[in-house]
Amino acid sequence: GAGVSQSPSNKVTEKGKDVELRCDPISGHTALYWYRQSLGQGLEFLIYFQGNSAPDKSGLPSDRFSAERTGGSVSTLTIQRTQQEDSAVYLCASSQLAGNSYEQYFGPGTRLTVT
Amino acid sequence: AQSVTQLGSHVSVSEGALVLLRCNYSSSVPPYLFWYVQYPNQGLQLLLKYTTGATLVKGINGFEAEFKKSETSFHLTKPSAHMSDAAEYFCANSGGSNYKLTFGKGTLLTVNP
Repeated sequence: GAGVSQSPSNKVTEKGKDVELRCDPISGHTALYWYRQSLGQGLEFLIYFQGNSAPDKSGLPSDRFSAERTGGSVSTLTIQRTQQEDSAVYLCASSQLAGNSYEQYFGPGTRLTVT
Repeated sequence: AQSVTQLGSHVSVSEGALVLLRCNYSSSVPPYLFWYVQYPNQGLQLLLKYTTGATLVKGINGFEAEFKKSETSFHLTKPSAHMSDAAEYFCANSGGSNYKLTFGKGTLLTVNP
């Protein structure tokens, strides 16, 4: 079956612009996660969705970052007023349910470059 | 708080040689440990995981890892490296959260012919 897909695969934006990153999880997966992969910080958790609600937003680095999930499926990560330090690969993952027994399946990521 | 430390950001082995990638964890609660592999321009793929039970865990592609509580380690091994094993490997822990993965910095494995 289809895996987790993310779009765009690459995004170059100017400092100060807003960007939207999209994640399509595996069909039927109720849990969805966003992670960020950067040279300086490695892989960091950003936010977790269970259905359409986000019980854990603890990893969002600033109030410029927000995310939503609609219909228990597609999720959008929005970064407002982008800064150069936002340059990273943003990875989305989904799992059937939340919990250590359930494998998180990762998408290929969106590489964001802020110039 | 929990953390994951991977010793060696870059490991180079010859084809056919033993692969050993080191991972140590720090956790105030029982850990749930994972090894992921990332090929260039791809997402992470789960190699294996330890939750409870048997401490020697076998994964895909001939990899295995042993959970050693006394050493707080979860090293990844493979008896004989293949060229196709060249990738970046990440150790992760979700103990205490039940879903949030805390990753090590990663180890880039190079396999030389």
